[in-house]
Amino acid sequence: DGGITQSPKYLFRKEGQNVTLSCEQNLNHDAMYWYRQDPGQGLRLIYYSQIVNDFQKGDIAEGYSVSREKKESFPLTVTSAQKNPTAFYLCASSIITAVTAHNEQFFGPGTRLTVL
Amino acid sequence: KNEVEQSPQNLTAQEGEFITINCSYSVGISALHWLQQHPGGGIVSLFMLSSGKKKHGRLIATINIQEKHSSLHITASHPRDSAVYICAASPAWGTGNQFYFGTGTSLTVIP
Repeated sequence: DGGITQSPKYLFRKEGQNVTLSCEQNLNHDAMYWYRQDPGQGLRLIYYSQIVNDFQKGDIAEGYSVSREKKESFPLTVTSAQKNPTAFYLCASSIITAVTAHNEQFFGPGTRLTVL
Repeated sequence: KNEVEQSPQNLTAQEGEFITINCSYSVGISALHWLQQHPGGGIVSLFMLSSGKKKHGRLIATINIQEKHSSLHITASHPRDSAVYICAASPAWGTGNQFYFGTGTSLTVIP
C-alpha cells in the first residue's frame, strides 16, 4: 500500500533533549512538508522540501531542523532551542507539477510529542 | 488576521441532520481543500476544488470564487462523521506549494 508513515505515534522526551521524528513516503512524491498542530490553531508549516538535498523554512522553523537525503524520507529534529515543543506533528507529501498550487497533499498519521 | 476563517468552531448535531460548515478566505487561490481529521489525528483529503461544486457520497463542497467563500455540506449526518473538518487554501502559483489552513470545525454527531 502506498502512503506516508510517521513514527512513533507518541513520543515523550525530557526538556533539553533533541528528538527526531520520522517521516517516510512511498508515493514517489517530490515535495514533503512538516506541520505543527496546536489546540485552537490551524496547521502551521515548519519546513518543506521540493527536491532531495534542498529544503525551505516555513512559518515557524526556529528550533527545528530537517534533512532530505533521500526522496522517501524527511526527518524532523526538534532541538532544545524550541521553546514549546509539545505538540502534534504532521508530515505530508505532494507531487510537483507546473501548476504547483493545485496539488493535493497527503498526510501521515502524525506524532504526538510531549516534552516533560 | 488569518488568511482562512472557518465557522462554526464547534458543531453538535443529531444523527440525520443536514450540516453546513463555512470557510472564507482572503488570499487569491488556485484551489480550496477540505480535509477531515479523525480523533486519532490522521488527516485525509475530502475535496480539492477551484470552482463550482463537488459531491462524494453524502458530502458536498461548493466554492464561490467571487465571494471567496466555500461550504462543506453533510447530508443525513451519522455519528461516524464526527471529526474535525479543516479548510485549506492553495495560494497563488509560485509560493512553494504552501497551504493556508483554517483552525478547523469540530463536529459531533449524536445518535
